[in-house]
Amino acid sequence: GAVVSQHPSRVICKSGTSVKIECRSLDFQATTMFWYRQFPKQSLMLMATSNEGSKATYEQGVEKDKFLINHASLTLSTLTVTSAHPEDSSFYICSAPFSSVSSSTDTQYFGPGTRLTVL
Amino acid sequence: GENVEQHPSTLSVQEGDSAVIKCTYSDSASNYFPWYKQELGKRPQLIIDIRSNVGEKKDQRIAVTLNKTAKHFSLHITETQPEDSAVYFCAAILNQAGTALIFGKGTTLSVSS
Repeated sequence: GAVVSQHPSRVICKSGTSVKIECRSLDFQATTMFWYRQFPKQSLMLMATSNEGSKATYEQGVEKDKFLINHASLTLSTLTVTSAHPEDSSFYICSAPFSSVSSSTDTQYFGPGTRLTVL
Repeated sequence: GENVEQHPSTLSVQEGDSAVIKCTYSDSASNYFPWYKQELGKRPQLIIDIRSNVGEKKDQRIAVTLNKTAKHFSLHITETQPEDSAVYFCAAILNQAGTALIFGKGTTLSVSS
């Protein structure tokens, strides 16, 4: 259990275009999902918290109008990178928390990531 | 907010040796500390985690210790193998209102045979 998928795995786009990335929890429901960005040889940086039925919460320094997040259902969150530029090229990873019967704290399960390259 | 420091940034060991990675955190209210292993181009995989009500947890060759007073926790890998080579990240809960994680900067572990 606790499988998270992401689509697409890789995307190459031209500067100025928009790209949508999907994150799905396959065998559990997630009212909250998280989006991270990881540049080469760096750590995962939290971008935003996606909340089902309400607005996303963005971390300081992350432009909400550039990185649009929609939590469409209890198993799907989407991240749209609008007007992409080369500096947006990165590895985008989502995660969803899942709690087992024996745990009081949700364990984070990560999607496989999306490699975005903006030309 | 929470801040997580991780050391060392790189670690090279011989096969069979032990490896230790240390992390400190700033928010004394944090109560969950996972460790993730990430291979190149892949997703982070949870390898072990510890909650604040215990001081140590072990799973075969991997162990994690937590010192809440000093606000630090460590990952111990014994009898290292070449397949242990990867980047390891420690993390802590961002705040008690949610479950978002703040990650350390990572440790690149290289195990040579």
